[in-house]
Formats: sequence, C-alpha cells, structure tokens
Amino acid sequence: EVQLVESGGGLVQPGGSLRLSCAASGFTFRNYWMHWVRQAPGKGLVWVSRINRDGSNTNYADSVKGRFTISRDNAKNTLYLQLNSLRAEDTSVYYCTRDWNSCLGDWGQGTLVTVSS
Amino acid sequence: QSALTQPASVSGSPGQSITISCTGTSSDVGSYSLVSWYQQYPGKVPKLMIYEVTKRPSGVSNRFSGSKSDNTASLTISGLQAEDEADYYCCSFATGSTWVFGGGTKLTVL
Repeated sequence: EVQLVESGGGLVQPGGSLRLSCAASGFTFRNYWMHWVRQAPGKGLVWVSRINRDGSNTNYADSVKGRFTISRDNAKNTLYLQLNSLRAEDTSVYYCTRDWNSCLGDWGQGTLVTVSS
Repeated sequence: QSALTQPASVSGSPGQSITISCTGTSSDVGSYSLVSWYQQYPGKVPKLMIYEVTKRPSGVSNRFSGSKSDNTASLTISGLQAEDEADYYCCSFATGSTWVFGGGTKLTVL
C-alpha cells in the first residue's frame, strides 16, 4: 500500500522559513516523479512543484519560484520542500503526491503551514 | 500559469447526468492529452477520478467519464448519486513542464 506521510508544518512568521518532509513507503520511491500541491483554507488546489526521479530536474509554479526548493533523498525515501521568505498567502495545507501517468495519483494527508505574526 | 476555468457550482437530481467543464488555453488543455480530474470531500484528501482525459483508475465507477475538445475538458457523472456530492477539480499538464488546476466545482445532489 502506498503511503505518503508529510511532516514539518507549523506556525511561522512572515519572512521565515520551514522545511517540509514527506516519508514514502509501499513503492519504489526512486522510480517516481513527485509533486507538492497546496490548498489554502477553504480554497482550491494549487500545484506547487515537481521533481524527477533522480532529483536532477525540478519545476515550480511562478508564485513560489525563487522562494521554494524541492528536493529528494532516494536513500531515505523522502521528499522535501524548503519554504523560504514565507508570506501570509503561503498559508495552506501542503500535500505530497506521487506522479502517476503525469497526474497526481496518490496523496498524503497533508501538513498545515500557517504564516502569521 | 493561470488557473483553468471551472463553474463554481453545478447541481443535479439523483439519477440524472451532469457535466463539469474545464477551460484552459493552447498552452495547457489544448496542447496535451494530460487532463486529470479529482474528487474531494470536505476535510478529506483529493482522489484521482480521471487521467489522460478519458481513463479511469482501477476502482473508480464507470459512471465517471471524461472528454476534451480543443481547449475545454469535461467531466460527466451519469446516474448521479448522493455520494457524488463533493468538490471536483480538473488539472492539466502545461507548457514549461508545470501543472495547473482549475478553481474547483462544488457538486450538489438535490
């Protein structure tokens, strides 16, 4: 069974940083592209970033480019998202998702990031 | 990277069919057969319902179907059931190897 477990969310002040983690199990992590998707409270889904199998290629939504960094450690079966220069509008639940046929096939339960002073 | 356009809400009675549209541009929906649809209940994690425009993952009811014409994709739910009441989101691969979601559609079963 595919399991994706996010952690690292919390309350952070504007301008602060946070690192999210996603522990993967139940599949061969190194064989899959991975994504981060976020959802602000009461709002819709927003794609954030994607990383290829070996971590050599990454893509970002314009809204986070230059501030967020996606990475992975295939030896630890873990996906990361480094969030820097956080703004109030970054407040969201952040989901780790497994790419499947170029869509978002499996989702974690999400971790809440709240940016507030 | 503008969001795809979906109606904010649709409704239908049990047994009826409804269609949710998802309009993009030639940079996303119009250029790639990589449109997917997700169902999300309040407070729950999204679930993949349709991928590659028309395909259903194992376990998804055949009452759900997808299609695409030019820059607009559509999700049709036939034989509407109370359990179908949820939010639905479309998503497309886009130029620049990015992905873009629609704003979401709230389906109400009357």
